[in-house]
Amino acid sequence: DTGVSQDPRHKITKRGQNVTFRCDPISEHNRLYWYRQTLGQGPEFLTYFQNEAQLEKSRLLSDRFSAERPKGSFSTLEIQRTEQGDSAMYLCASGEIVLSTDTQYFGPGTRLTVL
Amino acid sequence: GNSVTQMEGPVTLSEEAFLTINCTYTATGYPSLFWYVQYPGEGLQLLLKATKADDKGSNKGFEATYRKETTSFHLEKGSVQVSDSAVYFCALSPLGFQKLVFGTGTRLLVSP
Repeated sequence: DTGVSQDPRHKITKRGQNVTFRCDPISEHNRLYWYRQTLGQGPEFLTYFQNEAQLEKSRLLSDRFSAERPKGSFSTLEIQRTEQGDSAMYLCASGEIVLSTDTQYFGPGTRLTVL
Repeated sequence: GNSVTQMEGPVTLSEEAFLTINCTYTATGYPSLFWYVQYPGEGLQLLLKATKADDKGSNKGFEATYRKETTSFHLEKGSVQVSDSAVYFCALSPLGFQKLVFGTGTRLLVSP
């Protein structure tokens, strides 16, 4: 069990560019979550998958954001036409339901800076 | 709706002092409750959890009890160490298997 990994760890981009982040969950976990964390705040939910199905999307996830999990393993989060307000830490978590509870384990995050 | 309220920080303590970080929640139904810790420059780590009323979660000397009557899940530790300095987040999962709803976090600073 190597834990949840995310790539890249840091991304600096110019406003208007597209960026893509990758998350590799713990291998036996079928649920995968994306969150966004801004400075001094707790993480906010963006979207989650069960296997390859995207089951819920937050209203925070504008049309510029898209997430995929094509084979039910790794996931990507793409932001098109980035804006300065997109600067944040993007966190991925994975989990599986055991005894009716889904305990989520987080990766180290991708810090995005939009100039 | 679902929400979590944590005491504002920073909480500043001397080593070996007693720690309490307050957390109260609002939720529909019966959520699961969690404490996560974030050390400087690192991701969130699960500290402890409780899935039903009166459950006590514990780990690394930290404890929290799920109190349904007061809708609280306060974090406690009997004797803090400098290495406990971090940001602590209280969170709930509605019905136990959905997205996490986090509080704003409480920074703990422990001095020698």
